[in-house]
Amino acid sequence: AQTVTQSQPEMSVQEAETVTLSCTYDTSESDYYLFWYKQPPSRQMILVIRQEAYKQQNATENRFSVNFQKAAKSFSLKISDSQLGDAAMYFCAYRSLQGAQKLVFGQGTRLTINP
Amino acid sequence: DSGVTQTPKHLITATGQRVTLRCSPRSGDLSVYWYQQSLDQGLQFLIQYYNGEERAKGNILERFSAQQFPDLHSELNLSSLELGDSALYFCASSVGGNYTFGSGTRLTVV
Repeated sequence: AQTVTQSQPEMSVQEAETVTLSCTYDTSESDYYLFWYKQPPSRQMILVIRQEAYKQQNATENRFSVNFQKAAKSFSLKISDSQLGDAAMYFCAYRSLQGAQKLVFGQGTRLTINP
Repeated sequence: DSGVTQTPKHLITATGQRVTLRCSPRSGDLSVYWYQQSLDQGLQFLIQYYNGEERAKGNILERFSAQQFPDLHSELNLSSLELGDSALYFCASSVGGNYTFGSGTRLTVV
């Protein structure tokens, strides 16, 4: 079974600075999807970014980018120019392309933005 | 509005009771997934339905059950509730690898 590990329960960053959230995963599959979700205090799950494992190019979405290291099974999220609205729980998730294709989540990283 | 509708938003009930959570997926999405999120934890997969059929089960307790109806809405039934069942229950629908989550139902068992 696949597992996802986020080793940083909490992170903080100064507004306008850059922060990187870590995620590692374990799988024997060669093709899969990886995601970062944001959960603000409203508890809504918001997709931040998605990476297909077959793509070598790292995904980017405006201020959000990932560093996908397939061999190392690492998938970190970089947030540039941090804004107060970025404060939230961030979850890394894995999705297989086989079977149920359910999302497997990490335990989350709580990100605080200091003004 | 994500397009996935969950009702009710909040539910408070006593131990031993039974509740039903409802989810209407995004128009055109055939898959419905249920997840449980306990306080400050990651989301745990409970069960998936695809076009009315159960497709996969996760760590779902025997006291919990679900179904998906012909109009594709899904219901999650939780019975003999315990204090530890207090959590946020999310429904998500999926097409083409992209998931859309509902806003969740917060269940409090007292």
